[in-house]
Amino acid sequence: NAGVTQTPKFQVLKTGQSMTLQCAQDMNHNSMYWYRQDPGMGLRLIYYSASEGTTDKGEVPNGYNVSRLNKREFSLRLESAAPSQTSVYFCASSERTRSYEQYFGPGTRLTVT
Amino acid sequence: GESVGLHLPTLSVQEGDNSIINCAYSNSASDYFIWYKQESGKGPQFIIDIRSNMDKRQGQRVTVLLNKTVKHLSLQIAATQPGDSAVYFCAENIGNTGGFKTIFGAGTRLFVKA
Repeated sequence: NAGVTQTPKFQVLKTGQSMTLQCAQDMNHNSMYWYRQDPGMGLRLIYYSASEGTTDKGEVPNGYNVSRLNKREFSLRLESAAPSQTSVYFCASSERTRSYEQYFGPGTRLTVT
Repeated sequence: GESVGLHLPTLSVQEGDNSIINCAYSNSASDYFIWYKQESGKGPQFIIDIRSNMDKRQGQRVTVLLNKTVKHLSLQIAATQPGDSAVYFCAENIGNTGGFKTIFGAGTRLFVKA
């Protein structure tokens, strides 16, 4: 099993450009999450999907949209990138929303200039 | 690979010694606590968890202690090995009736000296 995979690994955008970060898991997990990690601030939840067909805002959703394409895939979209969105983005999954063991992908380093 | 912040609290221990990583949490309503390990270039990896109605839980070479009186959590690693070098995060899950909320700490970097 590959676990949680993310693409791309690195991305540089100019302010105002858009892009979609892709995430897929092969563990048949119900719940998926998107976090951002900034220096000295730990992980902050952007959006989550408790199950296929549902999405909810996390702590820092502004400037992002998500799509739970199917049970395996959960994408994060930046419609108009801003320098404040420069960060490392992690996707995670868990068997259910209140399962505290989350499995994380390797991350995407995004730089917005 | 991905890197965590450069100015994290740092703990340096000798190989074979025990390590203790501390964490203060913020919310009295937190009902579940988790420790994650993040190696350089990788995503966080679950280590151990503990419910709020417990004060100690042991895993393989790791022990988590919870002191709800002072809202303090610690992770003890026995016989620390070079492979334990990583950033360690504590996380608290705040009980609620609808949404999902896990709050991650900023992390502590552990260096293991051979």
